[in-house]
Amino acid sequence: DVMMTQFPLSLPVTLGQPASISCRSSQGLVYSDGNTYLNWYQQRPGQSPRRLIYKVSNRDSGVPDRFSGSGSGTDFTLKISRVEAEDVGIYFCLQGSHWPGTFGQGTKVEIK
Amino acid sequence: QVQLQESGPGLVKPSETLSLTCTVSGASISGDYWGWIRQPPGKRLEWLGYIYSDGSTNYIPSLKSRVTISVDTSKNQFSLKVTSVTAADTALYYCVRVKTGTVDYWGQGTLVTVSS
Repeated sequence: DVMMTQFPLSLPVTLGQPASISCRSSQGLVYSDGNTYLNWYQQRPGQSPRRLIYKVSNRDSGVPDRFSGSGSGTDFTLKISRVEAEDVGIYFCLQGSHWPGTFGQGTKVEIK
Repeated sequence: QVQLQESGPGLVKPSETLSLTCTVSGASISGDYWGWIRQPPGKRLEWLGYIYSDGSTNYIPSLKSRVTISVDTSKNQFSLKVTSVTAADTALYYCVRVKTGTVDYWGQGTLVTVSS
């Protein structure tokens, strides 16, 4: 299985400041159709996961534009341009290019 | 708005069968893939498998002998069974909708504990 290494695992941030989370895969994530299926999710306390980003950099409907995804090959990044209080929660990546899809360990974002 | 809701016993005895059902609202189960993901305490999320609305399935190799996913399109539901459970099957179980290379909707999750 593809190993997804996510870091940092804990990210204390100051309101209004940027934040960055990385996921590194043990092998490339380009699928046979040419797409790279790397997703990012947010899980707020007490809620189910919500997809933020799919195919590396595509934002889901309703996701604020302060969230952005980037990367290629084996290195991928989720950035929050200015952290707001509602961004507190756990963020994780999912690669869907190789079955079974595999997840990062999760990053806990909290406000300093 | 697509919603998924898991239901089933929260406590299962060792060696017995874990059974969960996922009820889908806001979308037809027909024409899509649906799956189960779990998260054991302190561990990362892991796939169990998925099913297409026609009943075709795909399971992770390590659990293939113990896992069955089925679908009931008339009830807009799909189900999970895990046989011969042990403490290692204690986890938060999520039902999800699957699209190519991604999961776009998740249920709330249900905690299943394996204990006598």
